[in-house]
Parts: sequence; structure tokens; C-alpha cells
Amino acid sequence: NAGVTQTPKFRILKIGQSMTLQCAQDMNHNYMYWYRQDPGMGLKLIYYSVGAGITDKGEVPNGYNVSRSTTEDFPLRLELAAPSQTSVYFCASSRRRQGSPGGDTQYFGPGTRLTVL
Amino acid sequence: KNEVEQSPQNLTAQEGEFITINCSYSVGISALHWLQQHPGGGIVSLFMLSSGKKKHGRLIATINIQEKHSSLHITASHPRDSAVYICAVSTGNQFYFGTGTSLTVIP
Repeated sequence: NAGVTQTPKFRILKIGQSMTLQCAQDMNHNYMYWYRQDPGMGLKLIYYSVGAGITDKGEVPNGYNVSRSTTEDFPLRLELAAPSQTSVYFCASSRRRQGSPGGDTQYFGPGTRLTVL
Repeated sequence: KNEVEQSPQNLTAQEGEFITINCSYSVGISALHWLQQHPGGGIVSLFMLSSGKKKHGRLIATINIQEKHSSLHITASHPRDSAVYICAVSTGNQFYFGTGTSLTVIP
């Protein structure tokens, strides 16, 4: 199993450009998550999905969109890139809902380092 | 105020030392997680706890639900343990992370 894969690894965007960060998992997990990690800050949840066709906002969703057409894929879209979106983005997946009794282990992708100039 | 606070922020130890990293949280949780972020950036889940204590090799994680506190211990530390250790809590569908403890183990 490849686990959770993310592409690209690195990207530089100009202000106002758009792009899609790709995330895929081959573990048949229902739950998928997008986080951003800024220097000196903890990871912040952007969006999550509890299954194909179902997505919801996390703590910092502004400026982003997601879709979940299949169990495997959970792309993150930036429509109008801004310097404040310079960050490292991590995708993760888990078998069960985090809030379920005992929670569940999350599996993380390798991350995408995005710079907006 | 952050939902999850970790201490210390930075820690340097000599190889072989016993290490403790602390985590306090302020929300009701369903589980607490300890993660390891390697120097290259990859994140790996080490433990998931809802009560008591778990051990994996030289790593031990404990949680006190009443005090809303968890500790991660590393026995006989080794340079390959050098990484950022992140405490996170899950509540509902949300997941809150501490800012991490950067550990450097010197040979």
C-alpha cells in the first residue's frame, strides 16, 4: 500500500493564481482531512470529509475549496492564491471518525510546500 | 488561548537520557494523540490514548483525564529520536494540535 500520497511536493504560485493540491489514499478510509502548518504554529484543520460526497469546514477554511467524488481522492483547491496561504499542507486519512470513542489513528501524507509570491 | 499546550518548546538531551514531554489540553476529548514529525517533514502517529498508559519500544505515553494532562516519555534516548513531537486531541470531528516540542539528542 502506498498509504497517503500528495502531489506536488513543492510549488511556487503568483498572487491570484489558482491550483489544486492532490491527495489520494489506498487504505479505503472514509475520513480524510486537509491541514496547514505554519512556522511556529500547530497544524490547523482546513476541511475534512466523512465519505464520498460529504465535506465540511474545519478551523481555517477561507480561501480554499474541496471535493470528494471518490473514497480515494480528496483534492484541495486554492482559487485566488494569497501570500497568507504560504504554508506546508498535509493531507491525512483515518478509518473511523476522530470523535468516535477512542478516536482513530490518522495517517499523514508527505506534505506539499506552497509559496505564494 | 490554544486548546493544546506543550512544554517544553525545545529540548536538548545527551544520548541515553530519560526524556519527558508534557501536554495539557482545555477541551473535552475523545482521544489524545502523540505524533512525531521528522526533520524531513513527514508526520507519523505514535500513540492514541483515551485513558491510562501505552508503551511501544522505548516510548511510553500516559494520560490523566481528570487533570487534562498527558506525558510522552522516551527512555534511553538516541540521536535518531531527534524530531518534533506533537500532541493533538480529537473532539467531535475536530482535531486540535499543539505547536510541538523540538527534541535534539546529542551523541
